[in-house]
Amino acid sequence: SYELTQPPSVSVSPGQTASITCSGYTLGDRYVCWYQQKPGQSPVLVIYQDTKRPSGIPERFSGSNSGNTATLTISGTQAMDEADYYCQAWDINTGIFGTGTKVTVL
Amino acid sequence: QLQLQESGPGLLKPSETLSLTCNVSGGSISDSTYYWGWIRQPPGKGLEWIGSIYYTGSTYYNPSLKSRLTISVDTSNNQFSLKLFSVTAADTAVYYCADGLQWYGDYFVWGQGTLVTVSS
Repeated sequence: SYELTQPPSVSVSPGQTASITCSGYTLGDRYVCWYQQKPGQSPVLVIYQDTKRPSGIPERFSGSNSGNTATLTISGTQAMDEADYYCQAWDINTGIFGTGTKVTVL
Repeated sequence: QLQLQESGPGLLKPSETLSLTCNVSGGSISDSTYYWGWIRQPPGKGLEWIGSIYYTGSTYYNPSLKSRLTISVDTSNNQFSLKLFSVTAADTAVYYCADGLQWYGDYFVWGQGTLVTVSS
């Protein structure tokens, strides 16, 4: 079955850039979206269709997708960005979420 | 502004049927832009896609749940529902409903989620 693999954790200093990867076979041939989830809260869509930001999502969030890897980049990371992040795509007849990455802002 | 709210029993026994409803407010479930989805998250674990439905009634199911799953839409009451049969402890999770641009995702608006516990 198709899988989307993310690093379990990423640490970043305030003001620096955090990059979260999502790997899957020929992932670049599919649209990828990204969600942010803080403890006890519902997920929030931060990137859809690889690179688009929903209204209200800060410009510091950006996305890319090519080959077998999609990447969510947080530029100028702030303390409020500390959260779990999940990528999402599709396989035949099913939606698939990535394994999730915990971003810690040190 | 679109809002979604899940409702249903919070505690079930093994072998029972899990029934949840998602009430849509601030917009129409018949809006052709969106698909209506269900996602779950076991305690302390990641997200799992359950399935989705279009207002016409077209459904898309996770193959791993398909044999136990029914998703339906009620356009007259602006809501959609999930039924998961023969539940086990492995079905214990927070269940979310959401609206998406795609049958599989791009979920813009999420409900607050409801915890369903399966225990004897």
